[in-house]
Amino acid sequence: AQTVTQSQPEMSVQEAETVTLSCTYDTSESDYYLFWYKQPPSRQMILVIRQEAYKQQNATENRFSVNFQKAAKSFSLKISDSQLGDAAMYFCAYRSYNNNDMRFGAGTRLTVKP
Amino acid sequence: DTAVSQTPKYLVTQMGNDKSIKCEQNLGHDTMYWYKQDSKKFLKIMFSYNNKELIINETVPNRFSPKSPDKAHLNLHINSLELGDSAVYFCASSRSEVGYEQYFGPGTRLTVT
Repeated sequence: AQTVTQSQPEMSVQEAETVTLSCTYDTSESDYYLFWYKQPPSRQMILVIRQEAYKQQNATENRFSVNFQKAAKSFSLKISDSQLGDAAMYFCAYRSYNNNDMRFGAGTRLTVKP
Repeated sequence: DTAVSQTPKYLVTQMGNDKSIKCEQNLGHDTMYWYKQDSKKFLKIMFSYNNKELIINETVPNRFSPKSPDKAHLNLHINSLELGDSAVYFCASSRSEVGYEQYFGPGTRLTVT
């Protein structure tokens, strides 16, 4: 079974600075999908970014970008120009190509300091 | 305009009671899910369901049962509630095509006293 590991339970960043959240996963599949979700204090789970494993190009969404290293099974999230509204729990997730199974990491709590 | 909605958002009940949480999605998705998020924020899949099959996480007690009256709804019934059932429960939906992300409801915080 696939597992997703987020080794940083908590991270903090100064407003306007850049922070990188790490995620590694374990799988024997060659095709799969990776996601980062954000969960602010409101509790709502919000999709931040997605990456297809067959694409070599790293996904980017405005201030959010990923560093996808398929061989290393690593999928880190970089947040540039951090804003106070970025403060949240961030979850890395893996979705199998073959089914609807989605596995989540334990989450990283990001604090943004003004 | 809410894509995935859940009711109620908060539920406080006593041990031994039976309760239901409702979920509706208006995205036209054909697969729906229930997740449990514990106090440490860990998200665990409980069920995934489409019109073809129900996949149950084997660690979920049989006191929990999903019921789908139609493709847009997947309700969660819980019998004989226990203290350990206290958690936030999320409903989610997605298209069943390969690779589609899941859209989550706002969550239901269940407190069992």
